[in-house]
Amino acid sequence: SAVISQKPSRDICQRGTSLTIQCQVDSQVTMMFWYRQQPGQSLTLIATANQGSEATYESGFVIDKFPISRPNLTFSTLTVSNMSPEDSSIYLCSPSSRQKSNQPQHFGDGTRLSIL
Amino acid sequence: AQRVTQPEKLLSVFKGAPVELKCNYSYSGSPELFWYVQYSRQRLQLLLRHISRESIKGFTADLNKGETSFHLKKPFAQEEDSAMYYCALRMNSGYSTLTFGKGTMLLVSP
Repeated sequence: SAVISQKPSRDICQRGTSLTIQCQVDSQVTMMFWYRQQPGQSLTLIATANQGSEATYESGFVIDKFPISRPNLTFSTLTVSNMSPEDSSIYLCSPSSRQKSNQPQHFGDGTRLSIL
Repeated sequence: AQRVTQPEKLLSVFKGAPVELKCNYSYSGSPELFWYVQYSRQRLQLLLRHISRESIKGFTADLNKGETSFHLKKPFAQEEDSAMYYCALRMNSGYSTLTFGKGTMLLVSP
């Protein structure tokens, strides 16, 4: 499976600030999925990012709050904007390739965000 | 819409006891089912998938389409099995994301 690197691994942020999370994959992938795992909860899909087009957001998530970039086929960023304590979660990226669409999804280590 | 249900938030057993973590799903098509495991302070990792029909770390899971279930089983639990287990479904369209259950915490006591 692809090697997935996420940065930062954790951060403590002030209310009202924004943080950008980076996800780097060691091979080209068609899609990048971004998930959120709130404390004690399961994973929820935030959005799906293709290269060269706007991300597709799931119900309850909007681009203004979670802007995503996908400048190339190995990299993506997720920004958590104007953070509030409710945004305290683990954020995970998961790549998917059209050529390997029958392969299981794997995940990065995640970014653990705490908002004060 | 597809849904994955894991009815138990916590399952506590003694070492050597059999384990069954329940997972039921609802989906009108033909899904792919997975079990993911998250050990303390480690990343979420794939444990097994139904199409592989293999045993990983002594765990097995059989897809029962009649009962729409994909329960995870192990005959003799070990302390190192203590972790969070997530059942997940992928629509068999070849290119879709995962829908996760809420997870079951397995605690294996000595």
